[in-house]
Amino acid sequence: QSVLTQPPSASGTPGQRVTISCSGSSSNIGSNPLNWYHQLPGTAPKLLIYSNNQRPSGVPDRFSGSKSGTSASLAISGLQSEDEADYYCAAWDDSLNGWVFGGGTKLTVL
Amino acid sequence: EVRVLESGGDLAQPGGSLRLSCAASGFTFTHHAMSWVRQASGKGLEWVSAISGGGGSTYYADSVKGRFTISRDNAKSTLYLQMNSLRAEDTAVYYCAKDLQMSYPGVAFDYWGQGTLVTVSS
Repeated sequence: QSVLTQPPSASGTPGQRVTISCSGSSSNIGSNPLNWYHQLPGTAPKLLIYSNNQRPSGVPDRFSGSKSGTSASLAISGLQSEDEADYYCAAWDDSLNGWVFGGGTKLTVL
Repeated sequence: EVRVLESGGDLAQPGGSLRLSCAASGFTFTHHAMSWVRQASGKGLEWVSAISGGGGSTYYADSVKGRFTISRDNAKSTLYLQMNSLRAEDTAVYYCAKDLQMSYPGVAFDYWGQGTLVTVSS
């Protein structure tokens, strides 16, 4: 059981906007920045969003992040077939003194 | 170009040991904290351990505390993970990940290696 809670799956059609949620507690999301990673099949994870809503260079502005209290969400607009991947949220946990991840959300583009 | 390349993954017996290495290039190694993150087949990501840029601070997941030791050689730009008392549940792909900043708690893992497979089985 993961410390951060994500829905196991999400889906959308090309061009749609989809959101993926991530829920935690006061010791992680509630007190530290939230990051999002995505992982294409058979490849290493890549940083998608850091510090709640910052995009690394090269990440399209179709991807956006937000955080409120102990929850966060990732929004993907203008969904494309290449967005089909696993998405993970992560945050530092002050009680565990370590990083915690969500269980991952498998995004399917229909 | 930033690169991190893991090595050392292998088949090990329960109770055995392995040492993973991660060779880094393309950035000032000592300026960045580093972590190991693992992923069992078909499962999600699990953070294993982290070390600050200078090496003075280390952090471990409860699942590996007392069995794994993280270290770094900044002169060689190399990160290590000494894994002792291995268990079947340690079987996973182990990724080396670079943090955006030097100290801990870190910010985010902005570069990941391709991973090295550790299999613990008799």
